[in-house]
Amino acid sequence: GQQVMQIPQYQHVQEGEDFTTYCNSSTTLSNIQWYKQRPGGHPVFLIQLVKSGEVKKQKRLTFQFGEAKKNSSLHITATQTTDVGTYFCAWRNTGTASKLTFGTGTRLQVTL
Amino acid sequence: EAEVAQSPRYKITEKSQAVAFWCDPISGHATLYWYRQILGQGPELLVQFQDESVVDDSQLPKDRFSAERLKGVDSTLKIQPAELGDSAMYLCASSLVSGLPYEQYFGPGTRLTVT
Repeated sequence: GQQVMQIPQYQHVQEGEDFTTYCNSSTTLSNIQWYKQRPGGHPVFLIQLVKSGEVKKQKRLTFQFGEAKKNSSLHITATQTTDVGTYFCAWRNTGTASKLTFGTGTRLQVTL
Repeated sequence: EAEVAQSPRYKITEKSQAVAFWCDPISGHATLYWYRQILGQGPELLVQFQDESVVDDSQLPKDRFSAERLKGVDSTLKIQPAELGDSAMYLCASSLVSGLPYEQYFGPGTRLTVT
């Protein structure tokens, strides 16, 4: 069956350092979304990637979807304390109409 | 900015009791989702509605959980009887259209503790 891994589970960085989280699937994904959940909060939509090899940027955040549509990454340049939270990838399988499945998340801690 | 409303925000109940959660999606959003999120994990879909119809309830423990969206607007998720393992955050989300890669807007959630 399909396996999707999100790594790392946790990362602690100093403010100003970069951060990357990866979502890797054993099968092709229809599309992938990224969400951020602050401590004690609810998931908030960040971005959606649909096309093979797609790259999107939001200020310090860069999102990529692999050429084979089996992996994705979220990269944060020069982290700030406001970036603290858990980042989830969420995907739909090819052929699945609508169900969104969430990864296990990467918890980011940023200290001064 | 329009938001998904949920109540209550917190609920403590004893095992074997009944509990209900309410969700009011963003106006105009046809699709409504109930998720369960256990601490340290990602949200898991319990049930998805398109208007008033259930389109996916494959992960809903139907022996104790029920969900309805009678008029295709707000929705109620019920657990009867509650078990210790049901302690989790219950999140409601809505989106414009099902079947398309539209973003989901989440409510603040209901934190359930079963004692």
